[in-house]
Amino acid sequence: EPEVTQTPSHQVTQMGQEVILRCVPISNHLYFYWYRQILGQKVEFLVSFYNNEISEKSEIFDDQFSVERPDGSNFTLKIRSTKLEDSAMYFCASKPNWGGGQPQHFGDGTRLSIL
Amino acid sequence: QKEVEQNSGPLSVPEGAIASLNCTYSDRGSQSFFWYRQYSGKSPELIMFIYSNGDKEDGRFTAQLNKASQYVSLLIRDSQPSDSATYLCAVNEVNFGNEKLTFGTGTRLTIIP
Repeated sequence: EPEVTQTPSHQVTQMGQEVILRCVPISNHLYFYWYRQILGQKVEFLVSFYNNEISEKSEIFDDQFSVERPDGSNFTLKIRSTKLEDSAMYFCASKPNWGGGQPQHFGDGTRLSIL
Repeated sequence: QKEVEQNSGPLSVPEGAIASLNCTYSDRGSQSFFWYRQYSGKSPELIMFIYSNGDKEDGRFTAQLNKASQYVSLLIRDSQPSDSATYLCAVNEVNFGNEKLTFGTGTRLTIIP
């Protein structure tokens, strides 16, 4: 069964450094998402992406965050200057079409640890 | 702020019994509802989704939706130790044509052998 793949599985970065989290969505999917989950807390929406542009972003997704689909395959999340509070699991998700009957499929996540 | 509420648990159920997980949501306009299972340190794994009032069954799992009461539940029959996990209720929010999932905090379920 096709799956969403994320790399790396664990990223350790010094505070203030830039980090790029990578995702390869399922190949025929058109809608892409990033969510994050701080340890012990709920899964939170960050951003949605369709047709090579951001559809919606949350309050968390400030100017330090950006997303890109550089080559029609990868979908990346960049954090420009990381803070301690960016430490979390980051999940990429994708779905084939618009509509509530189409569930989002999640990747295994990247654990981001900011030192 | 649209909310999804779950009892955080832990909920302990003997092996072989029925586990009942509940969720309420605040947005009366919500149409689609999802149950994900999350093992510790892992990603959410889709179990079921429902968008019509009533029951939807898939193997040992039954999702129940009552839009009038803004309530969705998940029943797990013949509970197995491998069902021990956190169960996340998620609501598909649509805002000016854009979709996203809003999650509850999850209910931690433990199946006791």
